[in-house]
Amino acid sequence: EVQLVQAGAEVKKPGESLTISCKASGYNVSDYHITWVRQMPGKGLEWMGRVDPSDSWTDYSPSFEGRVTISTDKSINTVYLHWSSLKASDTATYFCGRTHDLREGIHLWGRGTLLTVSS
Amino acid sequence: DVVLTQSPLSLTVTLGQPASFSCKSSQSLLYSDGNTYLSWFHQRPGQSPRRLIYNVFNRDSGVPDRFSGSESGTDFTLRISRVEAEDVGLYYCMQGTHWPFTFGPGTKVEIK
Repeated sequence: EVQLVQAGAEVKKPGESLTISCKASGYNVSDYHITWVRQMPGKGLEWMGRVDPSDSWTDYSPSFEGRVTISTDKSINTVYLHWSSLKASDTATYFCGRTHDLREGIHLWGRGTLLTVSS
Repeated sequence: DVVLTQSPLSLTVTLGQPASFSCKSSQSLLYSDGNTYLSWFHQRPGQSPRRLIYNVFNRDSGVPDRFSGSESGTDFTLRISRVEAEDVGLYYCMQGTHWPFTFGPGTKVEIK
């Protein structure tokens, strides 16, 4: 089955670092772009950025540039989203998604990782 | 950034009746390649979103034909011809024409 596998939840403290993963299953991760989307509690969807896993080219929304880093490990079919120093305001669900044509939006979504940042 | 304004923000519909949602863009979404990159997503409570429509009116595989999309300039509409119980949740529009890509705030649908 073609799917994107994400861990269910993470709990961290402010100032800590974190990397969450998105593992492509049933297909080669290099074949499609992967996009990350944030959904804060009770709020809407926000487009964070994307990576082309074939060459690791990344683009970030200005709202997230410098705050997160998207990377790829093709050897294990996985894309990552990394924070070097978390804030309480990073508390949200983070979805990864596959796009056939980047501009057409995500056609295959992961189940999301719920991140809670609290002291 | 392109602002997408959705209306209404909340809608209560009767089973079997039609429903429509509006998404107005602050700019033209016609891209230089001739495509208009406006998509619609549905998110049920506690679930991931699902794309229903891309490029204004193209239905995704498996999406019932009671869902349809249309446009009039910078105004876009998603229509459900006959609402079913499984249609509850939030509906988001998204534009992929201008960087950064943006979502609308969503329309919440409840069943009467």
